[in-house]
Amino acid sequence: GENVEQHPSTLSVQEGDSAVIKCTYSDSASNYFPWYKQELGKGPQLIIDIRSNVGEKKDQRIAVTLNKTAKHFSLHITETQPEDSAVYFCAASWGGSSNTGKLIFGQGTTLQVKP
Amino acid sequence: DAGVTQSPTHLIKTRGQHVTLRCSPISGHKSVSWYQQVLGQGPQFIFQYYEKEERGRGNFPDRFSARQFPNYSSELNVNALLLGDSALYLCASSLVGQGHYGYTFGSGTRLTVV
Repeated sequence: GENVEQHPSTLSVQEGDSAVIKCTYSDSASNYFPWYKQELGKGPQLIIDIRSNVGEKKDQRIAVTLNKTAKHFSLHITETQPEDSAVYFCAASWGGSSNTGKLIFGQGTTLQVKP
Repeated sequence: DAGVTQSPTHLIKTRGQHVTLRCSPISGHKSVSWYQQVLGQGPQFIFQYYEKEERGRGNFPDRFSARQFPNYSSELNVNALLLGDSALYLCASSLVGQGHYGYTFGSGTRLTVV
């Protein structure tokens, strides 16, 4: 069945260092890959997404890379700041006439940025 | 602009009871989806509604049902509550029904079943 595996489950970095979170997906039909940041007591917030027709996308300190052949995608955060501390989720989905609005989420990565 | 609004924010129910959770999407958004997030896990898809019609259902028992109203707000109903239904229930809205590009999540309803 559809599955998204996310690693690591926890990640601790020093302020200013980079953080990388990796995900693999099982459904080769997936063509949309969003990343969400969830802070305590809040719902997931979309921080960046990538579609299958591109291999990389960058937005300031955040970048996402996609390898469709290997069916994995990664989130890269550079120059980390304490406010980046949160739980990060990757997700995979497919768009098209039969789409059901179904995002398959990874298990989450708790990122701690130490000042 | 108001984001996705969910009510109530917290709820405590007893096993066997029924619960109704409510969601108001962002103005202009016609698609609403519901997700269940158990502590320490990623959200799990329950339902999607678009233009008041069910467009998708996740692997949840028939005790879970939902509907969307003419103003695009939505309700999630859960009957015969079990302890395992304790979770954060998230609503997400989007402009379009095909492809979940740009889903915005609400802050959720924290349901505790005792």
